[in-house]
Amino acid sequence: DQQVKQNSPSLSVQEGRISILNCDYTNSMFDYFLWYKKYPAEGPTFLISISSIKDKNEDGRFTVFLNKSAKHLSLHIVPSQPGDSAVYFCAASYSGTYKYIFGTGTRLKVLA
Amino acid sequence: EAGVAQSPRYKIIEKRQSVAFWCNPISGHATLYWYQQILGQGPKLLIQFQNNGVVDDSQLPKDRFSAERLKGVDSTLKIQPAKLEDSAVYLCASSLESGAYEQYFGPGTRLTVT
Repeated sequence: DQQVKQNSPSLSVQEGRISILNCDYTNSMFDYFLWYKKYPAEGPTFLISISSIKDKNEDGRFTVFLNKSAKHLSLHIVPSQPGDSAVYFCAASYSGTYKYIFGTGTRLKVLA
Repeated sequence: EAGVAQSPRYKIIEKRQSVAFWCNPISGHATLYWYQQILGQGPKLLIQFQNNGVVDDSQLPKDRFSAERLKGVDSTLKIQPAKLEDSAVYLCASSLESGAYEQYFGPGTRLTVT
């Protein structure tokens, strides 16, 4: 049972344009969501997070949007840069456990 | 600040052999996690330690996997005996405390079982 889903395995975007990565979840108990970025042969690195009490969080070029009624979150990268090319994982967590449930990842390729 | 260290980075073994992975978390981080990431999937939590006590090992295949965290610092994850389906990247992560959402990951150990 995949509680966190990233239905797009890959995405290609031109440099300077917007990248939108999507994530859906099924469990309404999740109350904290995170995005991690992973380069080859490295561990995932934290990118941005959002609590369920918010619907938007912004950090520089990265913005995460949360739609609780649709159980959907998205990561927007504007403008996209070639260095953003990586695999992006969304993760969800339960209050009190801080245990992550990861999605399967989306490979983003930003074309120069 | 030094990151999470893991060794070895790569390991190839035959099925039914045993293997051990080592993790040294960020200094002062009380919580340590081991994840298994199979190719094409997201990381899956195997075990979570708070200091040297186990918080969650519900997804650890206890018939073949074991983990310990001595003195609440370094940790080892062992597989004995290994199966073909254990081929994966094993990631160690740590966080400041169990109430901290942000986890810091090491580079992982890529295990190939032949």
